[in-house]
Amino acid sequence: GQQLNQSPQSMFIQEGEDVSMNCTSSSIFNTWLWYKQDPGEGPVLLIALYKAGELTSNGRLTAQFGITRKDSFLNISASIPSDVGIYFCAGQLDGGSQGNLIFGKGTKLSVKP
Amino acid sequence: GAGVSQTPSNKVTEKGKYVELRCDPISGHTALYWYRQSLGQGPEFLIYFQGTGAADDSGLPNDRFFAVRPEGSVSTLKIQRTERGDSAVYLCASSLTGSNYGYTFGSGTRLTVV
Repeated sequence: GQQLNQSPQSMFIQEGEDVSMNCTSSSIFNTWLWYKQDPGEGPVLLIALYKAGELTSNGRLTAQFGITRKDSFLNISASIPSDVGIYFCAGQLDGGSQGNLIFGKGTKLSVKP
Repeated sequence: GAGVSQTPSNKVTEKGKYVELRCDPISGHTALYWYRQSLGQGPEFLIYFQGTGAADDSGLPNDRFFAVRPEGSVSTLKIQRTERGDSAVYLCASSLTGSNYGYTFGSGTRLTVV
């Protein structure tokens, strides 16, 4: 099936550092989404991107929809301990069903106080 | 309710048994989604309902899996003749319509087939 390649798989950083993670695919996407998942919970939407080239911020989070429509990145500035969790990118394929999202495998973020 | 409610939160069943997983969406949400998340993986799409009908069931892995939403609210995911490979967290989400991505996910049902 279709795949999203998400990297890095894990990150261990110091509190206050900036974080960057990204997703790439060989396929074109109409929408890119970034989620955060805490243990025992469902994913929570952080940022949604709907247009190629779009750059969107949500507090300390910034994400961009790649101009080729095949990639996206998420940056977190000045990380804090509560940023710990697993971050997933997800997207809707060009021509795909609106309810069918493809998720990456996640980036596990650990923050050292 | 305030959020998407999934019951049970944990289910252990023997191989070959039948199980039902329930999802109560947020009141008024017309779209409902089922995903499956294996350990160390991202969620994998199973099926999407718009109202009572399945708008896209292309993610159901085989005919042992079936889902219903008879009144356009609560949904039940049914798995027949369970196999050990069915063990995963089954996530349900809902949204106001199928055209926005303001999904709200539930906390999931962790299914373990022994």
